[in-house]
Amino acid sequence: GAGVSQTPSNKVTEKGKYVELRCDPISGHTALYWYRQSLGQGPEFLIYFQGTGAADDSGLPNDRFFAVRPEGSVSTLKIQRTERGDSAVYLCASSPEAGHEQYFGPGTRLTVT
Amino acid sequence: KQEVTQIPAALSVPEGENLVLNCSFTDSAIYNLQWFRQDPGKGLTSLLLIQSSQREQTSGRLNASLDKSSGRSTLYIAASQPGDSATYLCAVRGNTGNQFYFGTGTSLTVIP
Repeated sequence: GAGVSQTPSNKVTEKGKYVELRCDPISGHTALYWYRQSLGQGPEFLIYFQGTGAADDSGLPNDRFFAVRPEGSVSTLKIQRTERGDSAVYLCASSPEAGHEQYFGPGTRLTVT
Repeated sequence: KQEVTQIPAALSVPEGENLVLNCSFTDSAIYNLQWFRQDPGKGLTSLLLIQSSQREQTSGRLNASLDKSSGRSTLYIAASQPGDSATYLCAVRGNTGNQFYFGTGTSLTVIP
């Protein structure tokens, strides 16, 4: 079946602009996670959704970052007033239930110039 | 906060060799541990998931062990092949919350 998909695969934006990154989880998976991965590092947790609600957003670095999952399926990570330090690969993962095996998407590479 | 360490950071072995990758974590109160591989420029592919009550899991040439009390997991790869070349990451989920904490990975190169 279809895996986790993320769009766009690459995004280049200018400093100060607003960006949206999309994640389509595996159908039926209730848990959805966003991570950020910098070069040479492991993924760093950003936010976790159980259904439509953000059950844990403690990893969001500041209030420029926000994520939604209005219908409990697709999620959008939104970054306002982007900074060069936001450049990274943003990964999305889903799992059938919280804490179970995670399945990752291919990621969105964000470059802020 | 859980700290996850992977040693070595990089490893190069000749084809056919058996090898062990190490993952250590500071808080033994874990719910489960998951091993992934990541190919350059790609997302993560799940290899094995070990629940806290389990000691090991096997899939093909891969065997992962878990020693919660010592805060360690190992990933054993038998008869390595060039196609095994990738970065291997371990991730730990604690008993509280739903965060997974990742190590920085071991970059494996299998030389034909």
